[in-house]
Amino acid sequence: NAGVTQTPKFQVLKTGQSMTLQCAQDMNHNSMYWYRQDPGMGLRLIYYSASEGTTDKGEVPNGYNVSRLNKREFSLRLESAAPSQTSVYFCASSSRGGQPQHFGDGTRLSIL
Amino acid sequence: GENVEQHPSTLSVQEGDSAVIKCTYSDSASNYFPWYKQELGKRPQLIIDIRSNVGEKKDQRIAVTLNKTAKHFSLHITETQPEDSAVYFCAAPTPDSSYKLIFGSGTRLLVRP
Repeated sequence: NAGVTQTPKFQVLKTGQSMTLQCAQDMNHNSMYWYRQDPGMGLRLIYYSASEGTTDKGEVPNGYNVSRLNKREFSLRLESAAPSQTSVYFCASSSRGGQPQHFGDGTRLSIL
Repeated sequence: GENVEQHPSTLSVQEGDSAVIKCTYSDSASNYFPWYKQELGKRPQLIIDIRSNVGEKKDQRIAVTLNKTAKHFSLHITETQPEDSAVYFCAAPTPDSSYKLIFGSGTRLLVRP
């Protein structure tokens, strides 16, 4: 039982490049989330998906897009990376709405 | 806008002592108020939560209290151990959606052996 799996673990991009962060959960959870965590700060919600087929904006959605591919997978895309998007990105899932219960190990993203 | 204030930002206690972390929120949808523990370089872990219609909840050495009237909630850790050392985050749902959590800025707890 892997829980929440994120790929890649580390990535360095140049400004303007695009990339997709992948997330998959094997707990049959309905809800999935993408957060970013900047140094010394709490988590900020980028997007969430309350259930398969739905996605909604969180606190800081600008510059990002998401896809809930199926119940297991929820991807985050940066179309044109900017230095301000340098952060650690966490995917999470939950069986009930609102609070993430299980997090992935995170993706450490640096944009030069 | 919605805001969650968390205090203190750092807390150092002797092993065996108690630790208390407090959070206040400006407004919130009725739902769960969770607490997370994050060790250095690791993923956040949900350690306990409290429903908005409950005043207190305990789980072994951890307890949370919630005062909805005053809009504050607290985490209490008793008989602290070195492995309790981590950053702790509180979170509260925003008024418009229980899916949107606003996190506090974190409390770095150090338990001295």
